[in-house]
Order: sequence, then structure tokens, then C-alpha cells
Amino acid sequence: GNSVTQMEGPVTLSEEAFLTINCTYTATGYPSLFWYVQYPGEGLQLLLKATKADDKGSNKGFEATYRKETTSFHLEKGSVQVSDSAVYFCALIGNQGGKLIFGQGTELSVKP
Amino acid sequence: EPEVTQTPSHQVTQMGQEVILRCVPISNHLYFYWYRQILGQKVEFLVSFYNNEISEKSEIFDDQFSVERPDGSNFTLKIRSTKLEDSAMYFCASSGSPVTYEQYFGPGTRLTVT
Repeated sequence: GNSVTQMEGPVTLSEEAFLTINCTYTATGYPSLFWYVQYPGEGLQLLLKATKADDKGSNKGFEATYRKETTSFHLEKGSVQVSDSAVYFCALIGNQGGKLIFGQGTELSVKP
Repeated sequence: EPEVTQTPSHQVTQMGQEVILRCVPISNHLYFYWYRQILGQKVEFLVSFYNNEISEKSEIFDDQFSVERPDGSNFTLKIRSTKLEDSAMYFCASSGSPVTYEQYFGPGTRLTVT
């Protein structure tokens, strides 16, 4: 079945450091890929998405490129801020549609 | 900006009691979902709902669970006889399309079963 694997957390960075959170997926066909963010005490917010191979999703300085050849959708940001501290979830919707399948989440902590 | 709302934000109940979690999806959305997140674990799909019937459900969604859209705006999740292991954050989500459109999540209801 479809699945998503994320790098283990927590990830601790200093402010203005470069961020990469790895995400790989297993799916048949061409799933849609998403990054959701969960700030402390809050619900899930869509951060960015990509719906076909080589698409790049971007939002708030975060980027991720849909790589079909490596089945990856790594999240990157050039310069993190303390306010980026949150849990980040990679997720997919299979080509049959319907439910989101989430990775286990990666906690990011950014220190001033 | 339209948003998904959920009530209550926190529900405490005793084991064996029935609970109803309520959600108001975004008004022009047609696809509705419930997910749950046990503390420290990944977000898990429970059920999807379209055209007044369940489209898909996970193995977690057993006979103790049910969903309903009682009117044009609310979408509810009922747990008939709660167990300790039902303690989790429950998220409602809605979507304009099941395939390529994103799902918008509510803030969640934290259910604590004692």
C-alpha cells in the first residue's frame, strides 16, 4: 500500500540555518504530495503541495520538489526562523484519491 | 478566509460513555474526513464521507464509530462506548475534490477518556 517515510526528529537548528527535512514515498501511479505544519497546540495547516512530477511547491520561504525518479519530496528552507519551530508532516493522496497518508512527522526546533 | 471549525476543543469523558465530536466544514466543500492523532504519533485516517455516505474507512473505524451529516453544515463523529485508547486529538477536514485539491483541517478536538 501507499506510505510516507520522513527523517527522524527532532531537528534542532540555529536561526538563519538551512533546513532540509527528507521525505520519501511509496505509491502506485502519480500521487499528489503535501507538506503540512503543526505549530504547538494547533491543528494542521497546509504548507505547500505538488500534484505532478517535477512540480515545485513553495510557501513562506519553504520549497519542495516532486521527484518521481527518487520518489521524494524533501522540504527545504534557506534561512529558518524561531517562528518556524513546529512539527512538519509529509503526506500524499494516492492517484485514486481520498485519504491523506501521513509520515510520522518531524519536529523542528529553531534556537535564536 | 473560510475555515473548518470543530467543537468542543477539549472533551473529557469516562470510559464507556458516548461522545459526539462536531465539525463545520468549509461551506462549498463536498468531501469530509476524520483523522486522529494519538499523542506523539502520526496522523491516522479514520473515515471519508461524500454524498451522505462513507466513501472509505480504516480498520480503526470499527462498529463503535459512526459519522453523520445531520444538516447542511455539520459533520459529526460519534464514538458509542469510549475506551481509554480512544484518547487522541481528532481532526476534521474538508476538500473540494478528493484527488488533487488539498484538505483543510480544523483545529482539532482533544478527547481524553478516563
